[in-house]
Amino acid sequence: EVQLVQSGAEVKKPGESLKISCKGSGYSFTSYWIGWVRQMPGKGLEWMGIIYPGDSDTRYSPSFQGQVTISADKSISTAYLQWSSLKASDTAMYYCARLWGQLVGGWFDPWGQGTLVTVSS
Amino acid sequence: QSALTQPRSVSGSPGQSVTISCTGTSSDVGGYNYVSWYQQHPGKAPKLMIYDVSKRPSGVPDRFSGSKSGNTASLTISGLQAEDEADYYCCSYAGSYTSYYVFGTGTKVTVL
Repeated sequence: EVQLVQSGAEVKKPGESLKISCKGSGYSFTSYWIGWVRQMPGKGLEWMGIIYPGDSDTRYSPSFQGQVTISADKSISTAYLQWSSLKASDTAMYYCARLWGQLVGGWFDPWGQGTLVTVSS
Repeated sequence: QSALTQPRSVSGSPGQSVTISCTGTSSDVGGYNYVSWYQQHPGKAPKLMIYDVSKRPSGVPDRFSGSKSGNTASLTISGLQAEDEADYYCCSYAGSYTSYYVFGTGTKVTVL
């Protein structure tokens, strides 16, 4: 079974750093792009960026460029999303999802279960 | 890159049909046949329902169908069932010079 399992909920203070993870199983992790999606409380889905674990080629939405860093460790089939200095506005649920098809024109399936990040003083 | 525009909510009685629109521009929805749709129940992760505008993954009931005309894509749910009550999001490829992918604003489907 193809599965993406994300790390657990986090509670952090403003200014702290954070790295959340997304571990893939049941498929060739290095052969598919992995995307990250933000969902702020009560709001819609926002595409953040994507990485190809095979060569770590990474693309960002302009809205998130410079705000987060996406990385991957193919040796352990895990993708990461990290912040160097969290803000209260980073409070959200974060999902990873595998991209089927090409970077130019794919679809996201399956999705991880989500990681809730709460940033509060 | 602005979010694709969806109606905030649609509703229908069991057995009826509802259609959700997803309006973009010629740079996203209108420019590519790469529209997908996702269903999200409260507290759950999104689930793929339609890809490549109108293709249905295995396991998705055939009462879910997708289409596109110009800059607007649509998801139709025929024979509405109680378990279809959820939020639905469209997503389109938006080109390599923008954000690559863009989601819709989301639509709440209510089964009356």
